[in-house]
Amino acid sequence: EVQLVESGGGLVQPGGSLRLSCAASGLTFSSFEMNWVRQAPGKGLAWISYISRSGSTIYYADSVKGRFTISRDNAKNSLYLQMNSLRAEDTAVYYCARVSYGSGSQGLLDYWGQGTLVTVSS
Amino acid sequence: DIQMTQSPSSLSASVRDRVTITCRASQTIGNYLNWYQQKPGNAPKLLIYAASSLQSGVPSRFSGSGSGTDFTLTISSLQPEDFATYYCQQTYSNPWTFGHGTKVEIK
Repeated sequence: EVQLVESGGGLVQPGGSLRLSCAASGLTFSSFEMNWVRQAPGKGLAWISYISRSGSTIYYADSVKGRFTISRDNAKNSLYLQMNSLRAEDTAVYYCARVSYGSGSQGLLDYWGQGTLVTVSS
Repeated sequence: DIQMTQSPSSLSASVRDRVTITCRASQTIGNYLNWYQQKPGNAPKLLIYAASSLQSGVPSRFSGSGSGTDFTLTISSLQPEDFATYYCQQTYSNPWTFGHGTKVEIK
């Protein structure tokens, strides 16, 4: 059974940093591209970052570009999100999600973690 | 960025009702459109991919249609466990963007 488990969330002051982790099991982690998606309290879903299987290709949403860094360690079956210069508007539940490609699809998110809450407040 | 507009933002329906949710893209996206269901406190769950393909394990009362810019998610006979928020997502181009969601509530 595929499992994605996020950790590392918590309360941080504006301007601070946090590192989120996503531990993957039940899959050949190195064979899958991965995403981070976040959801502010009471709001909708927002894609924030993508990483290819090898880590050689990375994309970010404009809202986090230059502040957040996505990375992965395939030997440890883990995905990471380093978040710097945090702002109040970064307060959200952060989900890691696996990218798959069904027939006729150009990408879908078929497995999600349970999410980890990041609260940015003084 | 491609904007995804869902309508309605919320709806009230009864068990066994037929429910239709619409998603419109700001430019053509072929059939690169996914639908997710999210219940409070839970992660999103993939329902439909490539506009009309049913994800494994998803009940057949869920169906999707459309291509280009206009898409529809239909629940043929609403069940109690279907009360949730539904999101569309385009994967035609980066960044992959979501609609703002449609909350399906009990009438």
